Amino acid sequence: EVQLVQSGAEVKKPGESLKISCKGSGYSFTSYWIGWVRQMPGKGLEWMGIIYPGDSDTRYSPSFQGQVTISADKSISTAYLQWSSLKASDTAMYYCARHLTYYYDSSGYYHPENLPDYWGQGTLVTVSS
Amino acid sequence: SYELTQPLSVSVALGQTARITCGGNNIGSKNVHWYQQKPGQAPVLVIYRDSNRPSGIPERFSGSNSGNTATLTISRAQAGDEADYYCQVWDSSTAWEVFGGGTKLTVL
Repeated sequence: EVQLVQSGAEVKKPGESLKISCKGSGYSFTSYWIGWVRQMPGKGLEWMGIIYPGDSDTRYSPSFQGQVTISADKSISTAYLQWSSLKASDTAMYYCARHLTYYYDSSGYYHPENLPDYWGQGTLVTVSS
Repeated sequence: SYELTQPLSVSVALGQTARITCGGNNIGSKNVHWYQQKPGQAPVLVIYRDSNRPSGIPERFSGSNSGNTATLTISRAQAGDEADYYCQVWDSSTAWEVFGGGTKLTVL
């Protein structure tokens, strides 16, 4: 059974650093991309970025480039999302999700895609003075 | 950047059919995925690549995609279908993942 288990809720002050985690199990962790999605209170889903644990290739949404760092430790099947200096506006629920990034159609043709198929339970980050 | 437009809310009578739309420029040329998110829970994939159901998703959920509109259809709507629904595509020109703003489904 594919599972993504995220670290627990965090309460931090502005300016503090933070690293949250997402541990995968039930599949080959190094063979699938892991993405991070933000959901601010009462708002929709926003894609932040994605990492391939096999070689740590990482891509960011322009909205989050430079604001967060995505990393992974394949030896313990865990992906991370970190901030060096939190702001109150970082208060949100953060989800990790395993991604399918390609498929072959019925004719055998390769198609790239980004499809989050399994999601973690979410980590609530609250930043308040 | 590519944008997806969803209605803020859709209401459906118990047992009737709900249709949630997702608009985007030539979205019919892209694969559209749909997620259900109930309050306090993580999103769950209910339709992938326009019209495919993951294992465990009821046949009442179906999807279509053509032109500038993709549609999630929920037949015989149940109280348990009340949730926020999000469409999502991958914009190959930028390699960015894009979500619609979400639609709140209310079952009356």
